[in-house]
Amino acid sequence: ETGVTQTPRHLVMGMTNKKSLKCEQHLGHNAMYWYKQSAKKPLELMFVYNFKEQTENNSVPSRFSPECPNSSHLFLHLHTLQPEDSALYLCASRQREISYNEQFFGPGTRLTVL
Amino acid sequence: RKEVEQDPGPFNVPEGATVAFNCTYSNSASQSFFWYRQDCRKEPKLLMSVYSSGNEDGRFTAQLNRASQYISLLIRDSKLSDSATYLCAVNDAGGTSYGKLTFGQGTILTVHP
Repeated sequence: ETGVTQTPRHLVMGMTNKKSLKCEQHLGHNAMYWYKQSAKKPLELMFVYNFKEQTENNSVPSRFSPECPNSSHLFLHLHTLQPEDSALYLCASRQREISYNEQFFGPGTRLTVL
Repeated sequence: RKEVEQDPGPFNVPEGATVAFNCTYSNSASQSFFWYRQDCRKEPKLLMSVYSSGNEDGRFTAQLNRASQYISLLIRDSKLSDSATYLCAVNDAGGTSYGKLTFGQGTILTVHP
């Protein structure tokens, strides 16, 4: 059973809505990640947080705003999204210092933007 | 050149077949390597880590070739349940990328009766 949970599992929103995705990890990890996976496309890394500090932003549009209040929780705030933002959004966590540590994924939020 | 690149696939094989996937990486300082499996509409899950000496887990064998910068996954005696997308992942080394996994685009495997 995964130690990374995500809510909601499914979300339908209009382009003018504001919503937030939540991720929680129960594994004591110190790094958390947001990925986007569009249909028939590879995983795209969006944001990286190490010890609650954002260390990477892969040229993600400002309509996506991450927040990491502590090392167990990660949010992705969404506003004025576009239909092409419809995708599976995956959260992951890892203990970064040990190179062969597994990265665990949450079940994802399937987002549809109308 | 992409940081991590996989065979494009898709691979369609009959049950019982042996199938192999390759994955190349561009950063020679990469430290660790993994194969993940992703079922349709689900999250990726670790299949196996790839160690320098090569490692085997039942029907699955993973190899690492540092000189040529590629990893491979061999599946013997394919089962219908092996149908999935297989993702290779490479742990970057150094700087702000430390601890970050970079994933390949995935290879789709379909095992048919």
